[in-house]
Amino acid sequence: QVQLQESGPGLVKPSETLSLTCTVSGYSISSGYYWGWIRQPPGKGLEWIGNIYQSGSTYYNPSLKSRVTVSVDTSKNQVSLKLSPVTAADTAVYHCAGGVDMAVDYWGQGTLVTVSS
Amino acid sequence: QSALTQPASVSGSPGQSITISCTGTRSEVGGYNYVSWYQQHPGKAPKLMIYDVSKRPSGVSNRFSGSKSGNTASLTISGLQAEDEADYYCSSYTSSSTYVFGTGTKVTVL
Repeated sequence: QVQLQESGPGLVKPSETLSLTCTVSGYSISSGYYWGWIRQPPGKGLEWIGNIYQSGSTYYNPSLKSRVTVSVDTSKNQVSLKLSPVTAADTAVYHCAGGVDMAVDYWGQGTLVTVSS
Repeated sequence: QSALTQPASVSGSPGQSITISCTGTRSEVGGYNYVSWYQQHPGKAPKLMIYDVSKRPSGVSNRFSGSKSGNTASLTISGLQAEDEADYYCSSYTSSSTYVFGTGTKVTVL
């Protein structure tokens, strides 16, 4: 059973860097699938952030592309997200996600990140 | 990329059928058979209900079905049950190799 668990600071100051880690259990991320991040501002809808594929290729939401990096650490079976610089508009629940083909089969429970001074 | 358009809310009585629409353009919904649908209960992570327009993952009730015509995809829930009350989001692959979600629809069981 594939499980995803996000971790990282719940509070980030404006203009700083948001860094989150997703630990994957039940599956080796180097074996395939794609991995990525999706966020949801409080009371609002889902927003796709970006994906990383087994090839190492990354694809990002055009509106975030200049600020975001998704990477993997296969030795730790982890997926990471970095977003910089952040503003209050980046306050959201951030979900780690994984999939086989063209849909998100696996979701983390999500972690709330608040951007505030 | 703009969010796909969904109705803000849809409601129905137990046992009835409802349909949620998801409208995009030829650059996503109309151009690829890679539309998926997600169910999200309050405070929970979304759950995949339909992928590749009309395929159901193992374990998802056959009361959920998907279809597509042109630039609009649809999710139909038949035999509506109280547990179906949730938010639903569509998503599509795009011509830029990215993904886009719909605006979301709140389903209310009367």
